[in-house]
Amino acid sequence: DQQVKQNSPSLSVQEGRISILNCDYTNSMFDYFLWYKKYPAEGPTFLISISSIKDKNEDGRFTVFLNKSAKHLSLHIVPSQPGDSAVYFCAASVTGGSEKLVFGKGTKLTVNP
Amino acid sequence: GAGVSQSPSNKVTEKGKDVELRCDPISGHTALYWYRQSLGQGLEFLIYFQGNSAPDKSGLPSDRFSAERTGGSVSTLTIQRTQQEDSAVYLCASSINYGYTFGSGTRLTVV
Repeated sequence: DQQVKQNSPSLSVQEGRISILNCDYTNSMFDYFLWYKKYPAEGPTFLISISSIKDKNEDGRFTVFLNKSAKHLSLHIVPSQPGDSAVYFCAASVTGGSEKLVFGKGTKLTVNP
Repeated sequence: GAGVSQSPSNKVTEKGKDVELRCDPISGHTALYWYRQSLGQGLEFLIYFQGNSAPDKSGLPSDRFSAERTGGSVSTLTIQRTQQEDSAVYLCASSINYGYTFGSGTRLTVV
């Protein structure tokens, strides 16, 4: 039972355009969401997060949107750069309990020069 | 050290052998996690240590898997009688207040 789903295993965009990575979740108890970025042979690194009390969080070229009613979040990268090419994982958690994160399967983003 | 350190970085073992994977978390991080990533899969939760509390072992796939965390610091993940389906990248992370920092992982190959 996948509680966090990233239905697109891969995405390819042109440099300078917008990248939109999507994530859906099924557990309505989740109230904290994160995006991680992973390069080959490295561990995932934290990118951006959002609490369920917000519907948008922005950090430079990265913006995360949360639609609680649809149980959907998305990561927007604009403008996309070749160095953004990596696997992006969506993760979710229930605050107030353990800090355990539930991860999606990841989306491999390729930004073409 | 500055980050989470895992060793070895690569391990090839024969089916049926036992393996031990080590994780050195960031000093001061009270929480430590083990995840694994099998080919084409996401990050699968295995086990979670938080301070002196009993570990959350709910993600361990079988009783061949065990982990311990000595002195609230270094952790060892042990897989007994390895099987080919155990082949994966095993990732350790430590955190404080959701600030997960992952190590680079141990790539385990069971032949």
